[in-house]
Amino acid sequence: IAGITQAPTSQILAAGRRMTLRCTQDMRHNAMYWYRQDLGLGLRLIHYSNTAGTTGKGEVPDGYSVSRANTDDFPLTLASAVPSQTSVYFCASSPDARVGQETQYFGPGTRLLVL
Amino acid sequence: SQQGEEDPQALSIQEGENATMNCSYKTSINNLQWYRQNSGRGLVHLILIRSNEREKHSGRLRVTLDTSKKSSSLLITASRAADTASYFCATGGMAGGTSYGKLTFGQGTILTVHP
Repeated sequence: IAGITQAPTSQILAAGRRMTLRCTQDMRHNAMYWYRQDLGLGLRLIHYSNTAGTTGKGEVPDGYSVSRANTDDFPLTLASAVPSQTSVYFCASSPDARVGQETQYFGPGTRLLVL
Repeated sequence: SQQGEEDPQALSIQEGENATMNCSYKTSINNLQWYRQNSGRGLVHLILIRSNEREKHSGRLRVTLDTSKKSSSLLITASRAADTASYFCATGGMAGGTSYGKLTFGQGTILTVHP
C-alpha cells in the first residue's frame, strides 16, 4: 500500500512556465488537500476537495488551480509560475471531511524552485 | 492568517528528559491535532483531541486542551534522539463554519533531542 504519492519529487522551473504537480492516493479517501510549506509560515492550505467532482479555495489559492476528476487523483497546476511560488508542496488526504474522520495523511512533498 | 501559534519555536533537550510544546489558537474549534515532521519528509499524524476532551494519551505522548484559554500542550516523556523532528499543531473548524473539514496549522516547534 503506497498511501499518497507525489510527483515530481523536485523541480526547477523557469518563471512563466506552466507546471502540474501530481498527487495520487490509494486509500479511497474522499477528501484531499494541497498545502505549501514555507520557512517560518508553517503549512498553508491552497485548495481542497471534499469529494470527487468538487473543489474549494483555501487560504492561498491565487496562481493555482486544481481538479478532482476521480477519487484517487488531485493535481495542482501553476498556470504561469512566479518566484514567490518557490516552496515545498504537500498533498494530503483524509477519509472524510466530516467529524470523526478528519485525520490527514500526507505525501512526501514536491520541492519547487521557480527562477 | 495562522490560527495556531506554537511555543517555543525551538527546543533542545537531552535524551531521557521530557519535552513540552504549547499551541494557542484564536477561534472556536472542533478538534486539535498534533503532527510530526522529520526533516525533508511529509507530516505524520500523532494524536487528535476533540473540543469536549481535556486530556489524551498515546504511548509517550500526552496532549491537553484548555478551550477556555484556547491552548493545547504536547508532552513527550522520556525523549529519545529519534524524537528529533518538527511538531505542528493543527486546528479543525467548527461544523457549519467556513473552516469545517479543513485544518489550520501552526508554525511548528523544532525539537532536538541530544543523545
